[in-house]
Amino acid sequence: GAVVSQHPSWVICKSGTSVKIECRSLDFQATTMFWYRQFPKQSLMLMATSNEGSKATYEQGVEKDKFLINHASLTLSTLTVTSAHPEDSSFYICSASKTQETQYFGPGTRLLVL
Amino acid sequence: KNEVEQSPQNLTAQEGEFITINCSYSVGISALHWLQQHPGGGIVSLFMLSSGKKKHGRLIATINIQEKHSSLHITASHPRDSAVYICAVRSERTSGSRLTFGEGTQLTVNP
Repeated sequence: GAVVSQHPSWVICKSGTSVKIECRSLDFQATTMFWYRQFPKQSLMLMATSNEGSKATYEQGVEKDKFLINHASLTLSTLTVTSAHPEDSSFYICSASKTQETQYFGPGTRLLVL
Repeated sequence: KNEVEQSPQNLTAQEGEFITINCSYSVGISALHWLQQHPGGGIVSLFMLSSGKKKHGRLIATINIQEKHSSLHITASHPRDSAVYICAVRSERTSGSRLTFGEGTQLTVNP
């Protein structure tokens, strides 16, 4: 099956620091990766869509300079939360797609900014 | 009004009961997904449908394209089925595999 991993699974950091989250497709090449955030009791909110080798497309209201996305290869995308603040605390989920049909979701990364 | 609406928002059942979760959408779609999110947060894709009905174990998913409605059924429910079930659609108007999500249905199955 198609497996997507995320690292780290959880992270606690101080306000003002930057945090990098990795999303990897382990057994397939992902032409597109998606980054979501999810607040408690709410559904997934798409942050950005990233295609390998090109700039990410950000959703309205998502600051591209704050949430840096790099999709350098067909199996790896990274999300860097720069100068994190407590309001950035959330659950971040990536998904990867190899066709236009299905997204395969990662296990998520829980971020807590103190 | 959300493009994807689920009902009920919360559902509590006794072990063994037959469960139905509904999803209605307002746009033309090319596919509909049912996802399961466990308390730890990880998401598993249960079904992808564009027509008809699919079955996997105790889970059955149906879709009526004309009525813009899908249902997820769980037969002989078990406490391990407790999770959030999310309906998501891929709109005909969007390119690629981008999804629009419902708010989710929190299912609790008591022993």
